[in-house]
Amino acid sequence: QKEVEQDPGPLSVPEGAIVSLNCTYSNSAFQYFMWYRQYSRKGPELLMYTYSSGNKEDGRFTAQVDKSSKYISLFIRDSQPSDSATYLCAMSGDTDKLIFGTGTRLQVFP
Amino acid sequence: NAGVMQNPRHLVRRRGQEARLRCSPMKGHSHVYWYRQLPEEGLKFMVYLQKENIIDESGMPKERFSAEFPKEGPSILRIQQVVRGDSAAYFCASSPGDSGGYTFGSGTRLTVV
Repeated sequence: QKEVEQDPGPLSVPEGAIVSLNCTYSNSAFQYFMWYRQYSRKGPELLMYTYSSGNKEDGRFTAQVDKSSKYISLFIRDSQPSDSATYLCAMSGDTDKLIFGTGTRLQVFP
Repeated sequence: NAGVMQNPRHLVRRRGQEARLRCSPMKGHSHVYWYRQLPEEGLKFMVYLQKENIIDESGMPKERFSAEFPKEGPSILRIQQVVRGDSAAYFCASSPGDSGGYTFGSGTRLTVV
């Protein structure tokens, strides 16, 4: 079993839709949770960073962490074609080493 | 702030040659990380370095791979005697050392022919 599981997609939605992206994990020591966006042939870009359980909102993006279920989510409201990318969840415990999911490919069509 | 700079962007090597990948961290960042990304896979941790020190190399293959972050100059990931399976995108990231997530570079795409 992988430490971090993420549905690879692809996920295809119309412009304006609410997108839900999810990851599950097995290591209860994880306490830092991140979402990165990666455009084709580019490096990952940090979108959201959360410590421990709870919600965090930044513009159209909301990150949720449920440590009791070992489940994290990223919601994108009013999705735009420019949101089309691969979204990677990542997490770490008491070290600086990030464990990444395999990424979910999102396509938002006009 | 130029961000994390990696070069070259693309590197082609024949089997058996050496590959040298360079990474200059963001200004003020003293922590450097190298990750490898294979097609259709997530990023896999390779090594974590601070100036003149390897902190965690648990993701580095035992042979042919080495990394350094000298007092002066960029961090270098070195792959000796490359094989086809080394073909991947190699990403460098840096951080100031607090737990706030990394900043990644644009990567070096290594192709072994």
